[in-house]
Amino acid sequence: AQTVTQSQPEMSVQEAETVTLSCTYDTSESDYYLFWYKQPPSRQMILVIRQEAYKQQNATENRFSVNFQKAAKSFSLKISDSQLGDAAMYFCAYRSPTGANSKLTFGKGITLSVRP
Amino acid sequence: DTGVSQNPRHKITKRGQNVTFRCDPISEHNRLYWYRQTLGQGPEFLTYFQNEAQLEKSRLLSDRFSAERPKGSFSTLEIQRTEQGDSAMYLCASSPGRLAGSDEQFFGPGTRLTVL
Repeated sequence: AQTVTQSQPEMSVQEAETVTLSCTYDTSESDYYLFWYKQPPSRQMILVIRQEAYKQQNATENRFSVNFQKAAKSFSLKISDSQLGDAAMYFCAYRSPTGANSKLTFGKGITLSVRP
Repeated sequence: DTGVSQNPRHKITKRGQNVTFRCDPISEHNRLYWYRQTLGQGPEFLTYFQNEAQLEKSRLLSDRFSAERPKGSFSTLEIQRTEQGDSAMYLCASSPGRLAGSDEQFFGPGTRLTVL
């Protein structure tokens, strides 16, 4: 079974600064998807960024980028130019390839606070 | 609003009562998922449907839980003889069910259940 580990329960960043959220996972599959989801307080979860394991290039979405290290099974999220609206819980998630079991396996999450 | 909707948003019930939640997925999304999220934890997979077929159930889904998706549209999750340990946020997500690509899951706002 796949597992996702987020060992940092909380992090804080100054507005406009950069922060990196860590995630490791364990799997025996060679092809899979990794995601970072954002869950603002009392609001629904939204997808921040995704990474296909077969792609060597790290995914980037505006201020959000990932550092995907397949051999190390590491998948960290970097948020640049942090904004107050980035304050939320962030979950790292794993998915098997489409067509197989399509459930998401989540980590415990990390609470990010942004200081003005 | 064309996103995933869930009703009710909050439910308070007494131990031993039955409760039913409803999820309306994004139109034409073939796959529908249920997750449970307890305080301070990441969502845990409960079950998922491909159209009207329930394809997988987690061991977390005890005999007191049942889910249906008649006609492959909306879904209901029923909990019979509720226990205090059932208190959690119940999240619904839907995805297009693409055979290729990441098949992104879109989440609803959740139903928060409190069992007294």
